[in-house]
Amino acid sequence: DAGITQSPRHKVTETGTPVTLRCHQTENHRYMYWYRQDPGHGLRLIHYSYGVKDTDKGEVSDGYSVSRSKTEDFLLTLESATSSQTSVYFCAISESAEIAGGNQPQHFGDGTRLSIL
Amino acid sequence: QKEVEQDPGPLSVPEGAIVSLNCTYSNSAFQYFMWYRQYSRKGPELLMYTYSSGNKEDGRFTAQVDKSSKYISLFIRDSQPSDSATYLCAMDRTDSWGKLQFGAGTQVVVTP
Repeated sequence: DAGITQSPRHKVTETGTPVTLRCHQTENHRYMYWYRQDPGHGLRLIHYSYGVKDTDKGEVSDGYSVSRSKTEDFLLTLESATSSQTSVYFCAISESAEIAGGNQPQHFGDGTRLSIL
Repeated sequence: QKEVEQDPGPLSVPEGAIVSLNCTYSNSAFQYFMWYRQYSRKGPELLMYTYSSGNKEDGRFTAQVDKSSKYISLFIRDSQPSDSATYLCAMDRTDSWGKLQFGAGTQVVVTP
């Protein structure tokens, strides 16, 4: 298994509260990603990071922010949670294409189940 | 319309049968193709990763890519009950590398 730890694994919170999810990797990979998975939609990219302090938006970034102050940690924050953000959140990592010599596949953590009531 | 289409199933097969899964896509910019397996309450696990058109084999798994038809397939030979899972196809583009597009996933059930 790729060395990816997501925390917490489960969380229930109320609408309007801030929520932060953490992804920690031990692989020293440059790229990190946050996805959400909902029935009928597969996985959709929220934000990604291509280095410390370097982040960019994905397909469904509204209502989410991210931060990466260290190579190993990538945080996803819901500033004011809404019921539509109830989902399973997955973190993924990949090596740099420049280092590995080409496009590299992503490896996933086991997810955080987030329920917003 | 979604860029990547995948039949959600469920697909039920008897043990020992060949499982055939497929995805279609609409954007010719997709050049890298992946198949992930996902067990219940776990993260997606990479099974196959390919760039070229044609077949790639790894044990009981064969990935097939037809770029001219924008169609990819995954075949599982000699299926086992432990193959029961959801299988996700994913695609990557050279002009926006890393922003994977996933199919919705096909649930497979292999019955003993």
